[in-house]
Amino acid sequence: QVQLQESGPGLVKPSETLSLTCTVSGGSLSSGNYYWSWIRQPAGKGLEWIGLIYTSGSTKYNPSLRSRVTISIDTSKNQFSLNLSSVTAADTAVYYCAREFTYWGQGTLATVSS
Amino acid sequence: QTVVTQEPSLTVSPGGTVTLTCASSTGAVTNGYYPNWFQQKPGQAPRALIYSTNNKHSWTPARFSGSLLGGIAALTLSGVQPEDEADYYCLLYYGGAWMFGEGTKLTVL
Repeated sequence: QVQLQESGPGLVKPSETLSLTCTVSGGSLSSGNYYWSWIRQPAGKGLEWIGLIYTSGSTKYNPSLRSRVTISIDTSKNQFSLNLSSVTAADTAVYYCAREFTYWGQGTLATVSS
Repeated sequence: QTVVTQEPSLTVSPGGTVTLTCASSTGAVTNGYYPNWFQQKPGQAPRALIYSTNNKHSWTPARFSGSLLGGIAALTLSGVQPEDEADYYCLLYYGGAWMFGEGTKLTVL
């Protein structure tokens, strides 16, 4: 069964770029016509879809975040990544990666603070 | 600004039946919105329950079912168990973008 694991720095300074990686195991990221998503959840609040990427490299982003988000994929490493630029305290959240919203990682907390 | 609305909270007795709903500010929810439902317990990642309106994952208990009711997506729990106490989120597709509902806190009491 496919498993996903998020990784990245837990602390980012305001105005800098948050970079997270999702490592996929138990299957090849490039096999099957799947899309791979990033979702986030501020403490005590609801879920917010950030964006997704297909194995082809095609992307879709949340319109409210589009100007700051880049999602990329590295099939050779079985990983996909999230870059969120110009972060503020409002970007502090648990960040999840998922395969088609079916299989989810455990989440990683990213805190924006100086 | 599109909003996906769910009941903020619901309470159900063990063994009872409860329906959670998911409405879109853009109008009637149809199969083309591919409604998904998720369960999230404290400190855990969300768990997928239902996809494309009424399809269950292999791990979804039989007591959970999804449907469309008069232009609203619905998740029905029949024979509620204490372990069903959790937050529930719906997810809708808007032609290239996805949006989660605000979530429903379900209390089993």
